[in-house]
Amino acid sequence: KAGVTQTPRYLIKTRGQQVTLSCSPISGHRSVSWYQQTPGQGLQFLFEYFSETQRNKGNFPGRFSGRQFSNSRSEMNVSTLELGDSALYLCASSEGQGGSPLHFGNGTRLTVT
Amino acid sequence: GQQVMQIPQYQHVQEGEDFTTYCNSSTTLSNIQWYKQRPGGHPVFLIQLVKSGEVKKQKRLTFQFGEAKKNSSLHITATQTTDVGTYFCAAYSGAGSYQLTFGKGTKLSVIP
Repeated sequence: KAGVTQTPRYLIKTRGQQVTLSCSPISGHRSVSWYQQTPGQGLQFLFEYFSETQRNKGNFPGRFSGRQFSNSRSEMNVSTLELGDSALYLCASSEGQGGSPLHFGNGTRLTVT
Repeated sequence: GQQVMQIPQYQHVQEGEDFTTYCNSSTTLSNIQWYKQRPGGHPVFLIQLVKSGEVKKQKRLTFQFGEAKKNSSLHITATQTTDVGTYFCAAYSGAGSYQLTFGKGTKLSVIP
């Protein structure tokens, strides 16, 4: 099976812009989770989707949003970018049952200047 | 939400020495998972522990889940340079939660 695919791999944006990141899960996986990874804060949970429904949301401002499509592909959007949004954004898919292990993509490295 | 504390933050060992990282929670965990992230890579699932006192082995790696299901450890015997990376523990935030919360990780450096 193909792994989790994230696009693009790298992005450079300026403050105030918005960005959309894409994630294609492993075939058959219906759950997609998003994480922000920074050296100081580690892996921080953004949100989780299952069958197009957001089941959990982390402690991030409303500028961070996401959605999931009927084919389980997911996108996350960050509006009004700030310098502090520079990070590695990781998407992970799973079967979606409680306790399921996560399978991560390679991530999107976002730099905000 | 669920918090898992992981120590140490960094560990430098000579190749061939052993390494241990610890994960602690103030609440009882239903299960705990361990991941490894190589430099420049993404986290990769290693193992899941579910039962109280459970011990699982993967070659030189030994994983333990505490009797009270509030702590866990990962022990690597005779480290090799291929063990370099950051090791994370992770736990779901309570019953019915689909939020997997990660510890801050332990970054392992192996000196050849």
